[in-house]
Order: sequence, then structure tokens, then C-alpha cells
Amino acid sequence: AQTVTQSQPEMSVQEAETVTLSCTYDTSESNYYLFWYKQPPSRQMILVIRQEAYKQQNATENRFSVNFQKAAKSFSLKISDSQLGDTAMYFCAFMKHAGANSKLTFGKGITLSVRP
Amino acid sequence: NAGVTQTPKFRVLKTGQSMTLLCAQDMNHEYMYWYRQDPGMGLRLIHYSVGEGTTAKGEVPDGYNVSRLKKQNFLLGLESAAPSQTSVYFCASRRVGAFDTEAFFGQGTRLTVV
Repeated sequence: AQTVTQSQPEMSVQEAETVTLSCTYDTSESNYYLFWYKQPPSRQMILVIRQEAYKQQNATENRFSVNFQKAAKSFSLKISDSQLGDTAMYFCAFMKHAGANSKLTFGKGITLSVRP
Repeated sequence: NAGVTQTPKFRVLKTGQSMTLLCAQDMNHEYMYWYRQDPGMGLRLIHYSVGEGTTAKGEVPDGYNVSRLKKQNFLLGLESAAPSQTSVYFCASRRVGAFDTEAFFGQGTRLTVV
């Protein structure tokens, strides 16, 4: 079974600065997908970024980028130029494949606060 | 675009009462999921469905039942609610496809069992 570990329960960052959220996972699969989801106070789950394990290039989406280290089974999220709207809970998630019986496995989440 | 809609958004139940949470999606997605979110636990999968008429157990299925009679709807039932089922429940759906990995979530249902 796959596991996803987010060991930091909370982090805080000054507005306009950069912050990195950590995530590790455990799997015996060679091909899989990794995700970061954002959950603001509205409770809505929003996909931030996705990484395919077979791609060596790290995914980027505007101010959000990942550091994917396959051998170390590490998948961290870097948020550049932090904004007040980035205040949210962030979940790291794993999916074995895109097939029918593949599901998202989530970490416990980290609460990020952006200070003005 | 409605996307994934959950009904109700909030509910308070007494121990032993039953209720059904409705999830409706208008994206013609094959796969649907029910998760629960508890503080410090992340989201955990309760049940899921890979198509109309099919359901399967997830990580924490005890105390819950589901049905997928129509492709667009996925119902989560609590036959006899317990305080341990106090949680926020999320429904999600996903397309069929070799690279279709994005799950779309509803807005959640906050359930309190007293």
C-alpha cells in the first residue's frame, strides 16, 4: 500500500517570500502521479500542480513549482512570491495510475499561513 | 458549470439516526469517490465507484454504504450514525482516460453526530 507523509503540521511565511512544503511517499510502483492540492478556508479542494513520475522535469505552474526526487521518494512544493491568498491547507497526494481502481492517497496536510 | 455538487452542505444528526449524502456531477465522469476529512488525518477514502452500478470499499468503509444507480449520482448512506462519524465529507469524480488523473471535488458536507 502507498503512504504519503507530510511531517510539518504548520508553516508560516512572510508575504512576497518563498516557502517550501515537504512531502515524502512510499511505493513500489515505478510509474505513478503526485499532486499538491490546496484547501482554502472555503473548504474547496483545488488542484495546484501535478507531476508524472516518468517525467524527469519538475512541474511548474506560475508561482508554484515542485522538486521531485524519485529515488528519494520526495515531492516538495515551492511557492514563490507568497500572497495572502495562498493561506490554506495543502495536501500532498499520490495516485498509482490513471486506471479504474486507482485512487488518490492523501497526506495529513500542512496549514500554511501567509503573514502580511 | 456546476461540476460536483454535494447535498446537504451541513447536517446535525443524533446518534442512531440515518441519513444519505448526495453527490451529483454533470461532467459525465465514470469514476466517483467519497472521502472523509478529519483534523490531522487528511482525506481518507470511504467508498468509490468505477461506473454505474458498481461500488467498492476504500480505506475506511465501516458504518457506510453507497449506491451508484445513475452515472451522475453517488450516494453515501449512514444507517446508524455514531459520534465517530462526525467529519467533513467530500465527493470527487474523475474521467476515464490514460492520463486523466485530475479529480474534481465537491464543496464538502460538514456532518456532526451528537
